[in-house]
Amino acid sequence: EDQVTQSPEALRLQEGESSSLNCSYTVSGLRGLFWYRQDPGKGPEFLFTLYSAGEEKEKERLKATLTKKESFLHITAPKPEDSATYLCAVQAGGSNYKLTFGKGTLLTVNP
Amino acid sequence: DAGVTQSPTHLIKTRGQHVTLRCSPISGHKSVSWYQQVLGQGPQFIFQYYEKEERGRGNFPDRFSARQFPNYSSELNVNALLLGDSALYLCASSLDPGGAYGYTFGSGTRLTVV
Repeated sequence: EDQVTQSPEALRLQEGESSSLNCSYTVSGLRGLFWYRQDPGKGPEFLFTLYSAGEEKEKERLKATLTKKESFLHITAPKPEDSATYLCAVQAGGSNYKLTFGKGTLLTVNP
Repeated sequence: DAGVTQSPTHLIKTRGQHVTLRCSPISGHKSVSWYQQVLGQGPQFIFQYYEKEERGRGNFPDRFSARQFPNYSSELNVNALLLGDSALYLCASSLDPGGAYGYTFGSGTRLTVV
């Protein structure tokens, strides 16, 4: 069974204090690893998809990386508007395209 | 350009009742997936439809069913509601079932069962 574990569960940063979120996974043949951002009471907002170990993608202050066992979401010089829950999900190979999500990391950036 | 539209936004039902949730995908998207998100947890996969056919089903009881219409909109039906069905129900649309260009989620329907 596919599993995703995210750490830490919650993270508090000061504005400008860079850090990383971790997503460890076990999956039978990774098709893709997805990162989403979710604000309270809203649906997840797509950030990145990574497909193979060594791949990196960037968007503004966010950078996602992928290894064979985990992914990191690096946040450089965060701002208060980066406060949200960040969700990681894996998609296995095969005919079922479901995403298996972790519980998320609640990020709070204080001004 | 309209995103994924879900209705209603909020709903309160009594145990044992039936509920229908609706989703309109982004124009041009042919795949719709449904997820259940309980407070404090990540979304859990319920169903995926592509070109009006079921392409995947998660570990949910038969009380949960869904369908996709010719215009690619979708309905999620839940019968015999239980208190544990209280959750945020999310719909996600994509161009293809594999989500090569990402899955776009709607804002969800908040279902409360009392």
